[in-house]
Amino acid sequence: DTEVTQTPKHLVMGMTNKKSLKCEQHMGHRAMYWYKQKAKKPPELMFVYSYEKLSINESVPSRFSPECPNSSLLNLHLHALQPEDSALYLCASSISGGGSYNEQFFGPGTRLTVL
Amino acid sequence: DAKTTQPTSMDCAEGRAANLPCNHSTISGNEYVYWYRQIHSQGPQYIIHGLKNNETNEMASLIITEDRKSSTLILPHATLRDTAVYYCIVRLTSNTGKLIFGQGTTLQVKP
Repeated sequence: DTEVTQTPKHLVMGMTNKKSLKCEQHMGHRAMYWYKQKAKKPPELMFVYSYEKLSINESVPSRFSPECPNSSLLNLHLHALQPEDSALYLCASSISGGGSYNEQFFGPGTRLTVL
Repeated sequence: DAKTTQPTSMDCAEGRAANLPCNHSTISGNEYVYWYRQIHSQGPQYIIHGLKNNETNEMASLIITEDRKSSTLILPHATLRDTAVYYCIVRLTSNTGKLIFGQGTTLQVKP
């Protein structure tokens, strides 16, 4: 199974809502990532988890809260978002965080709209 | 991580080779060149990576110049399904796993 799954595919939320995005992989990968992609722009790294520990936070606002409950699962908790947070949120995983071979497998993304 | 420069867009005829250039003139000795692509409405997909030698896999070939300041991704027989944004990324072999995507090249394969 070389797939990264993300749920939901689409999410619409108000600025006062709390919601969560979910990402799952069963490839035995020990590094997982969250990226944000605005329309017609490249993906931007948000967070990196390595061996279930947060290793990189790219100065992401605290209204985005990542969680890695186990090596297969990655969540992104959303609270009090702004309309400008509307974007495609991509999850990825790789065997480990570093080394010369670091192919990242990406999920299809969750398209988030904040009203 | 070194920055990369790619043309904004390119066209290629179906069945012909697509040659996508990337400039990375500030690359350092321990930085790898990675290529990913993103087909519309999908997540990015890994294509190939290399350090200094040319590399080939079932998807593409990567040609890196001797001074490592530039590289070319070659899709030998482009199909309509190869229409995508192609990203050239330079990254350190550190423990961070960080990928910094540039603007990429939009490749349009035409019948």
